[in-house]
Amino acid sequence: DTGVSQNPRHKITKRGQNVTFRCDPISEHNRLYWYRQTLGQGPEFLTYFQNEAQLEKSRLLSDRFSAERPKGSFSTLEIQRTEQGDSAMYLCASTLRWRSNRGQDTGELFFGEGSRLTVL
Amino acid sequence: DAKTTQPPSMDCAEGRAANLPCNHSTISGNEYVYWYRQIHSQGPQYIIHGLKNNETNEMASLIITEDRKSSTLILPHATLRDTAVYYCIVRVRSYNTDKLIFGTGTRLQVFP
Repeated sequence: DTGVSQNPRHKITKRGQNVTFRCDPISEHNRLYWYRQTLGQGPEFLTYFQNEAQLEKSRLLSDRFSAERPKGSFSTLEIQRTEQGDSAMYLCASTLRWRSNRGQDTGELFFGEGSRLTVL
Repeated sequence: DAKTTQPPSMDCAEGRAANLPCNHSTISGNEYVYWYRQIHSQGPQYIIHGLKNNETNEMASLIITEDRKSSTLILPHATLRDTAVYYCIVRVRSYNTDKLIFGTGTRLQVFP
């Protein structure tokens, strides 16, 4: 258990429905990442936050996807009008980034167990 | 796109050293190499990272070539629980980005 919690762990939905995943990072971590992983592939970067600010979004993140981190703590990833191609494991990771590089920034990401989405 | 290439699979006998190679010929001078592993149905787990010096921790050793174009992760005494997919990753970091770009990894099978 890394301390990063994701819910729900499994979600089965019908095509066209909206789904939302939640990630609770390690409490003192100011940076939060979302990745997507399909079978047999490595995780693909989707987006990341520094506190509540969303700093980067991958081109994989179509306009049906939206991520928020309203208070700089937990984050949500919403997928609207789901498609079968959205079926994947959605992984959240958190870490602590220092404003200045004092050598304490190891770059280690702590991943949750993921939320598996199946779109029928 | 991933900046690393790895063999898709490897086998190792329990108790022996597992040496996992990685090529990163386009790595930039200030980019770190990271290794993570992923055991089935779990999130990736950090193992080790380095810039240009060899590194060792309680889990593994990382050997980076002098030209930094390749590296090797060494698990000194592999156990059955080390069976996993191992990812060699270059951390992409600049003024407007900071992320790990995963490739497809090496599936390590440790056998009795």
